[in-house]
Amino acid sequence: QVTLRASGPALVKPTETLTLTCAFSGFSLNTRGMCVTWIRQSPGKALEWLTLIDWNDNTYHNTSLRTRLTISKDTSRNQVVLTMTNMDPVDTATYYCTRIKREPRGWYLDYWGQGTLVTVSS
Amino acid sequence: DIQMTQSPSSLSASVGDRLTITCQASQDISNFLSWFQEKPGKAPKLLIYGASNLQTGVPSRFSGSGSATDFSFTISSLQPEDVATYYCQQYDDLPLTFGGGTKVEIK
Repeated sequence: QVTLRASGPALVKPTETLTLTCAFSGFSLNTRGMCVTWIRQSPGKALEWLTLIDWNDNTYHNTSLRTRLTISKDTSRNQVVLTMTNMDPVDTATYYCTRIKREPRGWYLDYWGQGTLVTVSS
Repeated sequence: DIQMTQSPSSLSASVGDRLTITCQASQDISNFLSWFQEKPGKAPKLLIYGASNLQTGVPSRFSGSGSATDFSFTISSLQPEDVATYYCQQYDDLPLTFGGGTKVEIK
C-alpha cells in the first residue's frame, strides 16, 4: 500500500526558509521510474506543480520558482525534503507530496499524500 | 506550459443525475490526462488515468473520454458521497498542470 505524508511547520515568517518533509512507504525511490513531486494549492487558486526528484537523483523545478526551491531524497529513510527560501504571504498554501511513475512518455501521478497547510505571516 | 481549461467551475445536481465535466488542453497531450477527486481534509484520489481508464477500486459510475485536446469526465448517477471537487491534470510533460477544478454539490 502506497502512502505519503507531508509534514512541517504550520506557520513561517516572511523571508524565512520553509522546510517540508515527505515520508513515504509502499515503494522505493531507488526503483527505476519512481519519482516524488511537490504540489501546492493556495486558497482559492489552482493546483501548482513545484518540483520533482527521480530515482536517479535528477531534479526538475517550476521555472518561476526555480531559484527558491531545493528538493532532495534520503532513500534509506524513505523521505524527500523540500526547501523553499524567502517565503512570502503569497506562498500560503496547502503543500502536497505525491508519487509519480516516469513512463516512456509521461509523468504518471497516482498517489497523493495528505497535504500540510503552511501559513506565511509575521 | 500546457494550459488546462476546465468547466464548469461548480455545479449542483440531484442524486441520480448524470453530470459531465469538460477539460481542454492548450496543445495535443494524446491521452495523458487524469481526473482526481478531492474531499475536504483528505488526500486527492486518482479516479481516471489515460483519459479513460478507471483506477482500481473506483466505482464504475465514473468514466472519462477524449484525446488530444478535448476531454470529458462523467458521473453516470450522482451519489451523496460524490460531493467533492474534481480536477483534470495533464501528465504529458513538465510542468504538470491542472484544471481549475469543478465543485460538485447535491441539489
